[in-house]
Amino acid sequence: GQNIDQPTEMTATEGAIVQINCTYQTSGFNGLFWYQQHAGEAPTFLSYNVLDGLEEKGRFSSFLSRSKGYSYLLLKELQMKDSASYLCAVTTSGTYKYIFGTGTRLKVLA
Amino acid sequence: GAGVSQSPRYKVTKRGQDVALRCDPISGHVSLYWYRQALGQGPEFLTYFNYEAQQDKSGLPNDRFSAERPEGSISTLTIQRTEQRDSAMYRCASSPNGYEQYFGPGTRLTVT
Repeated sequence: GQNIDQPTEMTATEGAIVQINCTYQTSGFNGLFWYQQHAGEAPTFLSYNVLDGLEEKGRFSSFLSRSKGYSYLLLKELQMKDSASYLCAVTTSGTYKYIFGTGTRLKVLA
Repeated sequence: GAGVSQSPRYKVTKRGQDVALRCDPISGHVSLYWYRQALGQGPEFLTYFNYEAQQDKSGLPNDRFSAERPEGSISTLTIQRTEQRDSAMYRCASSPNGYEQYFGPGTRLTVT
């Protein structure tokens, strides 16, 4: 079967760096996505990784290791507006199905 | 530009009634997805359309759930004979390329 694990909650301080981990088990891995979801709002796309390595986009970076079934989202220079849930999702070849994790709720404190 | 829109935003219905939820994707987006999201959980995949073709419906929970996208644009998710366990947020998302998805605001369905 397919499984995604993320920590349920994390807390960090404004201006700091935080790393949100995601581990997955799936057959025929075809890509990993990170989405941000503020309370009461729709998820918004952050990043996509299909090859091993680090993808950087402004304050956000996402890393993938396919051999370890592991990804992380790195948020730098944290701002209060970064308080949200961060969802990891994977797709597998031969299907259009996206499997989302339960999300990591990040609280940024002043 | 206009994002994904969904209607109604809120729907309260009695058990046993049928409901139709509408999704209007971003213009030109080929891919359209339907999800169900419980509070505190990630979206749960229901079905996927490529233009008007329903290419994956493996996530539909049972045969009371169906979806269509007849002209490759607007899509409707229909739930027949609703049950209380169907209460959830139903979201659709569209994508220009099958990768990043743009989610709509969702329809909050409550079955009483």
